[in-house]
Amino acid sequence: KAGVTQTPRYLIKTRGQQVTLSCSPISGHRSVSWYQQTPGQGLQFLFEYFSETQRNKGNFPGRFSGRQFSNSRSEMNVSTLELGDSALYLCASSSTGTRGTDTQYFGPGTRLTVL
Amino acid sequence: AQSVTQLDSQVPVFEEAPVELRCNYSSSVSVYLFWYVQYPNQGLQLLLKYLSGSTLVKGINGFEAEFNKSQTSFHLRKPSVHISDTAEYFCAVSGPGGATNKLIFGTGTLLAVQP
Repeated sequence: KAGVTQTPRYLIKTRGQQVTLSCSPISGHRSVSWYQQTPGQGLQFLFEYFSETQRNKGNFPGRFSGRQFSNSRSEMNVSTLELGDSALYLCASSSTGTRGTDTQYFGPGTRLTVL
Repeated sequence: AQSVTQLDSQVPVFEEAPVELRCNYSSSVSVYLFWYVQYPNQGLQLLLKYLSGSTLVKGINGFEAEFNKSQTSFHLRKPSVHISDTAEYFCAVSGPGGATNKLIFGTGTLLAVQP
């Protein structure tokens, strides 16, 4: 079974631009979560989607948004990029996301650099 | 609210020596606990998890962890490390209601195995 895939793997943008990152979950998984990883703040939860609906949201400004499609693929968008948005963005998928028995499988991440 | 503390940011150890990576958590309710490993330029991989039952949990690659409710700890151990174990290790706790789609991570511990 193919793992979680994220595209692109690397991205360079300038301040003020916007960016869209993509995540394809493991086949059959309906929950997709997004995390931001930075050296200063560590791993922080952004949001989670289940059946095309945002089910959970972390403490990030409205510039960070996402969506999920009917095939469970998910995208996250960051508008008006700031230097502090430079990070590794990780996507994780699980079957339902609510049971402890549901393992979250992580993708390799998208490395975003904002210049 | 749940939180995770990993006191050691870096743990240097010689090859074939034992190692313990410390993790303490804070929660007013029952939680699920996880250890993930991140190799350079990769996503997170689940090492092991504690849901309930036996307090000694065995994971992949020879790692094990012990859940201690009275000390609110979930330390990770390996009796003999290899060079290939060099990576960053993250302890995580489930979100509110045991939600595994909203993990709360510690700041990570870099395990540096030296020959």
